[in-house]
Amino acid sequence: AQTVTQSQPEMSVQEAETVTLSCTYDTSESDYYLFWYKQPPSRQMILVIRQEAYKQQNATENRFSVNFQKAAKSFSLKISDSQLGDAAMYFCAYEGGGNKLVFGAGTILRVKS
Amino acid sequence: DTAVSQTPKYLVTQMGNDKSIKCEQNLGHDTMYWYKQDSKKFLKIMFSYNNKELIINETVPNRFSPKSPDKAHLNLHINSLELGDSAVYFCASSLLDRWNYGYTFGSGTRLTVV
Repeated sequence: AQTVTQSQPEMSVQEAETVTLSCTYDTSESDYYLFWYKQPPSRQMILVIRQEAYKQQNATENRFSVNFQKAAKSFSLKISDSQLGDAAMYFCAYEGGGNKLVFGAGTILRVKS
Repeated sequence: DTAVSQTPKYLVTQMGNDKSIKCEQNLGHDTMYWYKQDSKKFLKIMFSYNNKELIINETVPNRFSPKSPDKAHLNLHINSLELGDSAVYFCASSLLDRWNYGYTFGSGTRLTVV
């Protein structure tokens, strides 16, 4: 069964600085998708970024980018120029074609002003 | 326009009661899901329906019964509620091409069983 591990229960970053959230996963599949979701206190699950496993190029969305290392099964999220609004719980998720997302345990990100 | 809407947003009920949570999506998606987020914030899939047909049924007690009257609606009925059912329940939807368009989540229903 696929598993997703987020080893950092909590991270802090100074406003305007850069922070990286870690995610590793375990799978025997070759085709799959990886996602980062943000959950602010409002509870809403917001898609931040997604990566297709067969693409070598790392995905980027404005201040958010990923470092996808397929061989190492690693999928970290980098947030540049951190803003107060980035404070939230971040979930890494895997989908291997089984119509279901497998989530990591989440990382709480705190942004200090 | 709300894409995936769940009702109610909050539900407080006593042990042993039966309750339902409703979900509707107006995105034209053909697949809908129920996810459970427990007190430690861990998210796990419960059920998935594609065009009204059940395609995923994870290890969930029989007290939980999903129903999809059409592909825009997916309801969750829970019988004989227990304290351990307290959680946030998320409805989500997707197209078959979910990898390009991703999943859209509702805002969740916080269920508290007392």
